[in-house]
Amino acid sequence: QGHLIQSGPELKRPGAALKISCKASGYDFNDFAIHWVRQAPGKGLEWMGWIDTSNRKATYADDFAGRLVFSLDNGVKTAYLQIRTLTSDDAAMYFCARLNSWRFTAYFDYWGQGTVVTVSS
Amino acid sequence: HSTLTQPASVSGSPGQSITISCTTTNNDIDAFNYVSWFQQHPGRAPNLIVYDVTGRPSGISGHFSGSKSGNTASLTIFGLQAEDEADYYCASSTTGLTWVFGGGTKLTVL
Repeated sequence: QGHLIQSGPELKRPGAALKISCKASGYDFNDFAIHWVRQAPGKGLEWMGWIDTSNRKATYADDFAGRLVFSLDNGVKTAYLQIRTLTSDDAAMYFCARLNSWRFTAYFDYWGQGTVVTVSS
Repeated sequence: HSTLTQPASVSGSPGQSITISCTTTNNDIDAFNYVSWFQQHPGRAPNLIVYDVTGRPSGISGHFSGSKSGNTASLTIFGLQAEDEADYYCASSTTGLTWVFGGGTKLTVL
């Protein structure tokens, strides 16, 4: 049974940078992509993009392109989400999720517990 | 890019069955190749309850059922229970690589 454990809550000032982590366990990290999902307070889920854990290639949703960096440390089975310059609109819960995909099936089966990000001056 | 439209809210009494719809604006017939449904309780991570339109993960009973017709996917919950009260999201992908989520539906058990 796999698990994704995310880093703890963050309190940041506008303009600051953010880096949150998502550590995998219980499965081969290199075999499954990691996707990132944002949920603003009281709002729905928003897909941010994904990173291929085997070739490190990142793909960003159009709304986030240029503001995010997805990265990996395969040695410690951890994915990272960085936001370069935070604004108040970035205050949200951020989730990582494992994509289980092969042949004709694809779904998010494991989710991190979420990381709450507060942006306040 | 396609948009997935869900009703903002649905409600039902214990024991009743309800259906939540998820309609795509994308006329591409492949837009619904991969459709998942998630249940989310307040402050918790989403939990997968249906995948690939009709599939059920292990541990998820026939209490939840997915289907698709044309550009609309549906989640049916049979025999509503108090613990089903939650937010429900559909998600779809054409390729299995890029995804879009529906706006979410709040289910109230009366």
